[in-house]
Amino acid sequence: DTAVSQTPKYLVTQMGNDKSIKCEQNLGHDTMYWYKQDSKKFLKIMFSYNNKELIINETVPNRFSPKSPDKAHLNLHINSLELGDSAVYFCASSQETGGTGTDTQYFGPGTRLTVL
Amino acid sequence: AQKITQTQPGMFVQEKEAVTLDCTYDTSDPSYGLFWYKQPSSGEMIFLIYQGSYDQQNATEGRYSLNFQKARKSANLVISASQLGDSAMYFCAMRDAGGTSYGKLTFGQGTILTVHP
Repeated sequence: DTAVSQTPKYLVTQMGNDKSIKCEQNLGHDTMYWYKQDSKKFLKIMFSYNNKELIINETVPNRFSPKSPDKAHLNLHINSLELGDSAVYFCASSQETGGTGTDTQYFGPGTRLTVL
Repeated sequence: AQKITQTQPGMFVQEKEAVTLDCTYDTSDPSYGLFWYKQPSSGEMIFLIYQGSYDQQNATEGRYSLNFQKARKSANLVISASQLGDSAMYFCAMRDAGGTSYGKLTFGQGTILTVHP
């Protein structure tokens, strides 16, 4: 049973296209995240949602739009893809306790996006 | 702003020996969490161990332990009895305690560990 799943695992597309990445978690967590890992392996947060409400939006171009239809799903839609969007995108989830617990984030397998 | 520094781009260790991966952090928040993740060549991010800023004892999880020195702002990962399967990239990360960045993980640059037979 996969805890955090993402589809697709690989995505190859042309510049200018629009694409979506889907994420689902079956851990019962209330908070979900999108992280971007660049070619140098550096990981940076993009967005987080708590109970379907946007909490963090880290100076990401507005071509990136997250959507959370329910607590278990957080999708990422990217418009007008650019070469610089090529990266690995990770979804993660956690149960936020306000700092009283570990609030450990569990990551999905990642989606490798290649923009040609 | 929070900052995590991993100064070792690469480390080598002999199988069955112990290795320490360094991590220093900077924050003005008294409440924070420190995490280590492993990323093997297959690409997934695997949670290893957690240390809370108010925890009195160093965290341990099997062969992993976290050498937490709060005054020095360091949170080094110690892997005992290294195995070939430990070869991977290791990331240290810190969780923001609150405010608009609540829950955000800030990652270090990572350390590539290679275990030799």
